[in-house]
Amino acid sequence: EIVLTQSPATLSLSPGERATLSCRASQSVTIYLAWYQKKPGQAPRLLIYDASKRATGIPARFSGSGSGTNFTLTISSLEPEDFAVYYCQQRTNLYTFGQGTKVEI
Amino acid sequence: QVHLVQSGAEVKQPGASVKISCRASGYTFTSYSLHWVRQAPGQGLEWMGIINPRDGGTTYPQKFQGRVTLTRDTSTSTFYMELSSLRSEDTAVYYCGRDRSADWGQGTLVTVSS
Repeated sequence: EIVLTQSPATLSLSPGERATLSCRASQSVTIYLAWYQKKPGQAPRLLIYDASKRATGIPARFSGSGSGTNFTLTISSLEPEDFAVYYCQQRTNLYTFGQGTKVEI
Repeated sequence: QVHLVQSGAEVKQPGASVKISCRASGYTFTSYSLHWVRQAPGQGLEWMGIINPRDGGTTYPQKFQGRVTLTRDTSTSTFYMELSSLRSEDTAVYYCGRDRSADWGQGTLVTVSS
């Protein structure tokens, strides 16, 4: 099973600041990594797929990068609605999620 | 417009089974596989399996093999997830989601309690 490790567990930032979230895979997932945003009471929201492609309707302030085992989600300037938990997910070998990074004010 | 509409909340006793439905509309039912994911209170997202609606083929993570059964009914464009031998740790919100897309159901709360 491929294990995804996200860091940090919690990121405390203010609106307007830049957020950088990391996801490390226990073995290469090539580019098959996605990022989701999750808020309480809402379904997961797909932000990025195939490491760097923005899903339909996702603002340009969200960007993804990386390949192999190291990936990054960057939110260039945090909006109030961006405070949430973010998960990475791989689809190279079955599907697994990381444990999440909480972005809080 | 794509819609995935899940069945309502369930309360089950330990040891029982639960079967949740996910009705799809707005796209060709057989064109996209469907995932099931859950989130227990205070926990992260957990992938439970995927089903190919063309042939009913399924893939499960080892953790859920033997306890989860994914099926589909092509006549009604509905997917089903059945979880057996329920225990308190299965209390969670369960989501269906279309593969390679941003479309998800609204979630179904399953509470396991005696």
